[in-house]
Amino acid sequence: QKEVEQNSGPLSVPEGAIASLNCTYSDRGSQSFFWYRQYSGKSPELIMSIYSNGDKEDGRFTAQLNKASQYVSLLIRDSQPSDSATYLCAVNGGKAAGNKLTFGGGTRVLVKP
Amino acid sequence: NAGVMQNPRHLVRRRGQEARLRCSPMKGHSHVYWYRQLPEEGLKFMVYLQKENIIDESGMPKERFSAEFPKEGPSILRIQQVVRGDSAAYFCASHEAAGAGYGYTFGSGTRLTVV
Repeated sequence: QKEVEQNSGPLSVPEGAIASLNCTYSDRGSQSFFWYRQYSGKSPELIMSIYSNGDKEDGRFTAQLNKASQYVSLLIRDSQPSDSATYLCAVNGGKAAGNKLTFGGGTRVLVKP
Repeated sequence: NAGVMQNPRHLVRRRGQEARLRCSPMKGHSHVYWYRQLPEEGLKFMVYLQKENIIDESGMPKERFSAEFPKEGPSILRIQQVVRGDSAAYFCASHEAAGAGYGYTFGSGTRLTVV
């Protein structure tokens, strides 16, 4: 059973601070990694993708990937109340897995003003 | 340039009725994935379809659930004889080609409530 694990939270962060979210995955054949943001009652929205080891920055978001440790993380800098949402980690297992995304259970983030 | 369109947005069914959920992929996309999200949980893969073909239905319950993606028209997820445990949000996503580099764009979802 290929799994993606996340701490469910809630992760409470003061406004302006850095929120750090973690995700581990079990399938070493995984090839691409994604972070989605989901507001309550809404559909998931793709916010970051990362394919190779290291950091990838996009605005206030930084994704980090370490394939040796099977670990991917998301940093949200200068957190805003509008960042309060559930963040879903997703892993694409490649052709062998039918190129389907496997999702973690999500981490709920609360940014307090 | 419309995104992935799902309808209805909300669907209420009594136990034992049938539910039909529709997904129109983005223009030019021939690959569709369906996911289910139970309350307070992550998304669970159900089925992957290409036009007129089911590629992977490993996440689909063996009974009462079926999916199709005809040559013309939207993809349909059909749930027969619904039970309360089927109450969930059902999302579909599409893309133009298979590949590990793709993060999907999801439709707005159908929220099914079984009463």
